[in-house]
Amino acid sequence: EAQVTQNPRYLITVTGKKLTVTCSQNMNHEYMSWYRQDPGLGLRQIYYSMNVEVTDKGDVPEGYKVSRKEKRNFPLILESPSPNQTSLYFCASSSFPGTPSGNTIYFGEGSWLTVV
Amino acid sequence: RKEVEQDPGPFNVPEGATVAFNCTYSNSASQSFFWYRQDCRKEPKLLMSVYSSGNEDGRFTAQLNRASQYISLLIRDSKLSDSATYLCVVNLSYNTDKLIFGTGTRLQVFP
Repeated sequence: EAQVTQNPRYLITVTGKKLTVTCSQNMNHEYMSWYRQDPGLGLRQIYYSMNVEVTDKGDVPEGYKVSRKEKRNFPLILESPSPNQTSLYFCASSSFPGTPSGNTIYFGEGSWLTVV
Repeated sequence: RKEVEQDPGPFNVPEGATVAFNCTYSNSASQSFFWYRQDCRKEPKLLMSVYSSGNEDGRFTAQLNRASQYISLLIRDSKLSDSATYLCVVNLSYNTDKLIFGTGTRLQVFP
């Protein structure tokens, strides 16, 4: 079954304590990205990766890092979380954008993160 | 002005009703368009792509009007299971995943 798996699904953490949200996909997709969703703002892209070792900033990258050492994994790292990073986070993957199969973005189930 | 704008709703309609949502986009160079469905506290899922010629999938019809820069989604014969938030999504480029998401329109279908 095609899947994008994120962990943890729910996390409450304290300001400044480094955390990593893992993301893994089993579809051999080249393209992966991270979004955050906040009320009234919709989904906003944090970082994306077009392939292994290729990452780039999205619209709201401040306070986040990513890495793409393997094709299937794309972890999101919050080095020093702050309360304004409290949000619902989605990892997503797709075939190369612009191709017919690349029109479908597969999202993970989401990670609810609260920073206190 | 937001790049992609939607009426947040909620649209409360009875079962069997026909309901339509519009979405406007500001960038005339936008290349591709989609409707995603998001259930409460769940991940978005692709409902349908929107083509220039319009397209239909069962009870759902999507239209694109490039001149006026809007896309629409029509749902006929609404079911209770159609209750969800519908996200309008615009891709600014064919070869990157430069997706811009609307904030969504909430639909509530009641018995």
